[in-house]
Amino acid sequence: SAVISQKPSRDICQRGTSLTIQCQVDSQVTMMFWYRQQPGQSLTLIATANQGSEATYESGFVIDKFPISRPNLTFSTLTVSNMSPEDSSIYLCSVGTRIFRDTQYFGPGTRLTVL
Amino acid sequence: AQKITQTQPGMFVQEKEAVTLDCTYDTSDQSYGLFWYKQPSSGEMIFLIYQGSYDEQNATEGRYSLNFQKARKSANLVISASQLGDSAMYFCAMRGSDYKLSFGAGTTVTVRA
Repeated sequence: SAVISQKPSRDICQRGTSLTIQCQVDSQVTMMFWYRQQPGQSLTLIATANQGSEATYESGFVIDKFPISRPNLTFSTLTVSNMSPEDSSIYLCSVGTRIFRDTQYFGPGTRLTVL
Repeated sequence: AQKITQTQPGMFVQEKEAVTLDCTYDTSDQSYGLFWYKQPSSGEMIFLIYQGSYDEQNATEGRYSLNFQKARKSANLVISASQLGDSAMYFCAMRGSDYKLSFGAGTTVTVRA
């Protein structure tokens, strides 16, 4: 199984600021994904972070608002830029690889509150 | 496009009894995977069980079993011998060939002593 860590685990931020969330995996993985879970809602995919190429964003999410880096096969960051209270959510990274084709693991999540 | 439907917003179950959580899906993919996750109040997503579209047998993992009916496009989760620690939100999800997960709305399970 994959062990995934995220930093920070939670944060309270002021509107207009930015927060970078880190995701670290204990093994090399092909694809990493970033999801958002707004309060009382289900999970929504923000983007796919692929090593060696730009992230692929889902409809409704743009790079200027959620820039993503993927410098290697074990690490990725998601930045939430120019935050507003509507960005208050849990942000989760997830990994998928052929090795784990029967599972898909999530990090513990980052609980963000924007005031 | 993939769509996951969970029609039960919340369910109550007595401790030690079994509970079935419904999940139906829609996809045009021939190959896909179905997942169930548990999300306690801490917010983490805990993987419970996986069923591949070509798997002939229903998946089981301890007290969790998945009732997979491909023709009906349903993948219900059965939790046997419920425990107080099973109280949480449960999500059904589908993964296509691109490894992206699509989630249902979730079902809140409350186990009563």
